[in-house]
Amino acid sequence: QVHLQESGPGLVKTSETLSLTCTVSGDSINNNYWSWVRQPPGKGLEWIAYIYHMGGTNYNPSLKSRLTISVDTSRNQLSLNLTSVTAADTAVYYCARGLGATIFDVWGQGTLVTVSS
Amino acid sequence: EIVMTQSPPTLSVSPGERATLSCRASQSIGSNLAWYQQKPGQPPRLLIYGGFTRATGVPARFSGSGSGTEFTLTISSLQSEDFAIYFCQQHNNWPPLTFGGGTKVEIK
Repeated sequence: QVHLQESGPGLVKTSETLSLTCTVSGDSINNNYWSWVRQPPGKGLEWIAYIYHMGGTNYNPSLKSRLTISVDTSRNQLSLNLTSVTAADTAVYYCARGLGATIFDVWGQGTLVTVSS
Repeated sequence: EIVMTQSPPTLSVSPGERATLSCRASQSIGSNLAWYQQKPGQPPRLLIYGGFTRATGVPARFSGSGSGTEFTLTISSLQSEDFAIYFCQQHNNWPPLTFGGGTKVEIK
């Protein structure tokens, strides 16, 4: 059974960098596309980016200037770094496996990141 | 960017009744639409993709239809576990991939 687990600080200060890791078990990170999706409390879903293990990435243009995602195939992990965060970046952050690049068939439980000064 | 609009925002339905949820795209997306179900405190669950293909393990009471800009998710006979929020997502044009604002299906 495929399992995704997000981890990282639950609180980040305004203007600093949000860093998250997603650990994948039950599947190889080499086999699929992997995405990050976020959801502000009580609101809808926003796709952040996807990555393929060969390094192909695709970012949401609204976040691209602040965003870096990567994979560590030796640890079967993907990572997200979002710089210069503001309160608008407060959200539950999910990692998800891609069915193809653009459909999300397995999700992590999500991790809430709060941005505050 | 393709804007996805869902209606109604809230749908009140009695158990056993049929629920019909709508999703509209701001431009044609062919059949490249997915539906997700989300319950409180849980991640979304993929129900439908490609407009009408049920994901693995999804009950047959869930069906998707439509193409172009107008799409429908139908739940033929609502069960207690179906009360949740439903999101549509276009997977035709990106970046960015975009979601609708959601429809909450609540008990009438």
